[in-house]
Amino acid sequence: DAGITQSPRHKVTETGTPVTLRCHQTENHRYMYWYRQDPGHGLRLIHYSYGVKDTDKGEVSDGYSVSRSKTEDFLLTLESATSSQTSVYFCAIRSSNSGNTIYFGEGSWLTVV
Amino acid sequence: DQQVKQNSPSLSVQEGRISILNCDYTNSMFDYFLWYKKYPAEGPTFLISISSIKDKNEDGRFTVFLNKSAKHLSLHIVPSQPGDSAVYFCAASATGTYKYIFGTGTRLKVLA
Repeated sequence: DAGITQSPRHKVTETGTPVTLRCHQTENHRYMYWYRQDPGHGLRLIHYSYGVKDTDKGEVSDGYSVSRSKTEDFLLTLESATSSQTSVYFCAIRSSNSGNTIYFGEGSWLTVV
Repeated sequence: DQQVKQNSPSLSVQEGRISILNCDYTNSMFDYFLWYKKYPAEGPTFLISISSIKDKNEDGRFTVFLNKSAKHLSLHIVPSQPGDSAVYFCAASATGTYKYIFGTGTRLKVLA
């Protein structure tokens, strides 16, 4: 258990509406990540954070923004959701206690209709 | 441009036999590699990793082999068990980047 909580776990939203997914961690990890998982594409990195207010883009960042105003929370925002953003979103943390390994949360299922 | 590739979308193996899952990468800067297992409706769970200073790492039934010259790694599961049926992802990272790039996954089915 990496102490990661994702919310909401399931959400259905309409095209064009804003959506925010939250990743909360309780163990003061510096690095946090957002991935999406899609059939045929595996896990793709959206954005990651290396500290409070420090974020960087991943492989598929278009249409997404992130914020990290405190260590424990990493927010992923879809400013105007599209059907192509229907996916499973996973948050991950890089544990400073176990070298270079990252650990994942349980996922957030997002459907954009 | 896919930097980490898992060219076999699926694999079926008899219980008790060896499962071999393969992964190729293109970025020569990658120096740390990981394998994850994923069950439906759950997050990926870490299995085993290997640094580029090694060519083999073993943990129980799981062994990862790294061939740097070929930019290839493989995960061996011996003996395979029905509970090993899952999707397996390989991932790679380069020192100093803190990014982890994943492959597309291989679905392993272990037949009882």
